[in-house]
Amino acid sequence: DADVTQTPRNRITKTGKRIMLECSQTKGHDRMYWYRQDPGLGLRLIYYSFDVKDINKGEISDGYSVSRQAQAKFSLSLESAIPNQTALYFCAASSGPYNEQFFGPGTRLTVL
Amino acid sequence: GENVEQHPSTLSVQEGDSAVIKCTYSDSASNYFPWYKQELGKRPQLIIDIRSNVGEKKDQRIAVTLNKTAKHFSLHITETQPEDSAVYFCAASRGNQFYFGTGTSLTVIP
Repeated sequence: DADVTQTPRNRITKTGKRIMLECSQTKGHDRMYWYRQDPGLGLRLIYYSFDVKDINKGEISDGYSVSRQAQAKFSLSLESAIPNQTALYFCAASSGPYNEQFFGPGTRLTVL
Repeated sequence: GENVEQHPSTLSVQEGDSAVIKCTYSDSASNYFPWYKQELGKRPQLIIDIRSNVGEKKDQRIAVTLNKTAKHFSLHITETQPEDSAVYFCAASRGNQFYFGTGTSLTVIP
């Protein structure tokens, strides 16, 4: 859905570098999420936020941090990237009682 | 937390045949069950969903069934077409977090 955008779309970095992935949404959704996707493992939740003052860990938060700078922006940081963080990262936004999620286009991150 | 299992992991069908993908969940409080389709290199897209207060929902060639007692739900695609080839994910949610299955790679053979 065009209302959720991610930058960069691809990134190659080296072990130990700090990386920030950015996500923006234009539909005023109050909830935002970061997932990583690995082959055979599906989508796993890293962090989620229900509003600007609310940050929650997901099932695989170790090695990651997030910042909800505004309702429309949710960034994911890898403080010191390691090779097993190589994955496809998706941001999602949602609202409403059933929390229907709309995904961004994804960021392919490679850590060498 | 919730645990969602999805089967099969790969599925090949002839064009025109039906495809069925099954998921089970563990948390009886889950009340929303969406299905996503992800084409190669693309983002997951919602194709159909079902709430816990209904047992079946249909949208053209796609249908989803839910058995709350057994805690399982299924995606049914009839009259499959080559453009149905993709990875399909089920998910379960009770409002806060989504828990996704590991995906089914569907190939429709022309």
